[in-house]
Amino acid sequence: DTAVSQTPKYLVTQMGNDKSIKCEQNLGHDTMYWYKQDSKKFLKIMFSYNNKELIINETVPNRFSPKSPDKAHLNLHINSLELGDSAVYFCASSQVTGGSTDTQYFGPGTRLTVL
Amino acid sequence: RKEVEQDPGPFNVPEGATVAFNCTYSNSASQSFFWYRQDCRKEPKLLMSVYSSGNEDGRFTAQLNRASQYISLLIRDSKLSDSATYLCVVNRGSTLGRLYFGRGTQLTVWP
Repeated sequence: DTAVSQTPKYLVTQMGNDKSIKCEQNLGHDTMYWYKQDSKKFLKIMFSYNNKELIINETVPNRFSPKSPDKAHLNLHINSLELGDSAVYFCASSQVTGGSTDTQYFGPGTRLTVL
Repeated sequence: RKEVEQDPGPFNVPEGATVAFNCTYSNSASQSFFWYRQDCRKEPKLLMSVYSSGNEDGRFTAQLNRASQYISLLIRDSKLSDSATYLCVVNRGSTLGRLYFGRGTQLTVWP
């Protein structure tokens, strides 16, 4: 009964490759997020989708493209991977209603290493 | 200036100690406040929300001072299992669901 799941858990790849990370939530939430946590442990928002609509798009290279096929899924595709993309990527979801912000539930993270 | 600033620590305390973490936020219009906990190599999880009047959950007490834009977390009678990184989190209310995370304060409780 996993709430927010991500695959893969670990991803090791060469510079220049293209890779995708998948995220699914079974909480019935309407909003999903992608965060990046770098080696200094700082958690930075990248994107969010509310009911499949892009809401937050922080200053992220356009090599990163999120896709939300439905409100339970938010995938992240990364083109032309660079060394600096190495980090842990967390997916999260929450129910955002009437302007309030409910608890965000995080997935277990995907540890990406670019060689 | 960062949205949310925390002392990164580390704090190293013996079991049974009381420890306090502080956090400041830059936007006076911020609307809601939280403490999240992140264990080593795990995902962040909500520890508690922070209310204007202050609130307590067992050994944990959170306080908010809107005038000073300051949030605190007090942990009494520390347990080994409290060892983690504590993240101060703020919602400005300006963008749907947008949370601002502090860098986190690392706590190690030793026996």
